[in-house]
Amino acid sequence: EVELVESGGGLVQPGGSLRLSCAASGFTFSNYWMYWVRQTPGKGLEWVSRINRDGSTTTYADSVTGRFTVSRDNAENTLFLQMNSLRAEDTAVYYCTRGGDSGSSDYWGQGTLVTVSS
Amino acid sequence: EIVLTQSPGTLSLSPGERATLSCRATQSISRNYLAWYQQKPGQAPRLLIYGASSRATGIPDRFSGSGSGTDFTLTISRLEPEDFAVYYCQQYGSSPEVTFGPGTKVDVK
Repeated sequence: EVELVESGGGLVQPGGSLRLSCAASGFTFSNYWMYWVRQTPGKGLEWVSRINRDGSTTTYADSVTGRFTVSRDNAENTLFLQMNSLRAEDTAVYYCTRGGDSGSSDYWGQGTLVTVSS
Repeated sequence: EIVLTQSPGTLSLSPGERATLSCRATQSISRNYLAWYQQKPGQAPRLLIYGASSRATGIPDRFSGSGSGTDFTLTISRLEPEDFAVYYCQQYGSSPEVTFGPGTKVDVK
């Protein structure tokens, strides 16, 4: 059974940093692109970043470019999102998702809440 | 950026009725890379349809997707109690940009 479990969320002050992790199991992690998607009550669902199978190619939404970095450890079946220079508008539930058909997300984790506030 | 609009915002129906949800894009979606997701309160979204019309693994055949170009439809042939939820469309044809619609809530009439 495919399982994605995020961790690392919490309360952080504006300008601070957090590192999210996503532990994957139930499939061959290194065979799949992986994505981060976030959700806020006000803006709905927003794609954040993607990483290819071996970690050599990464892409980001304009809203996080230069501040967030996605990476993966295929030996440990883990996806990461390093978030720096956090802003109030980054407050959201962050989901780790597995890349499906050419860009859809066929499995989602339960999400981890990031709150940026002083 | 491709912007997706979903209508209606809320659809009030009774169990057993047919639900028709619309997703419209500001530009043609390449290769019909359009997906539909279902989200229930407190849960993560679940993939229902990808490639505009292909059902994801384990999705009942009462869910169907259709459309091409800029206009897409999700149809639930007969609503079951567990189908009352929020439905989002997503386009992933305009790589690297991936965008979601604002959602349609299907609630009990």
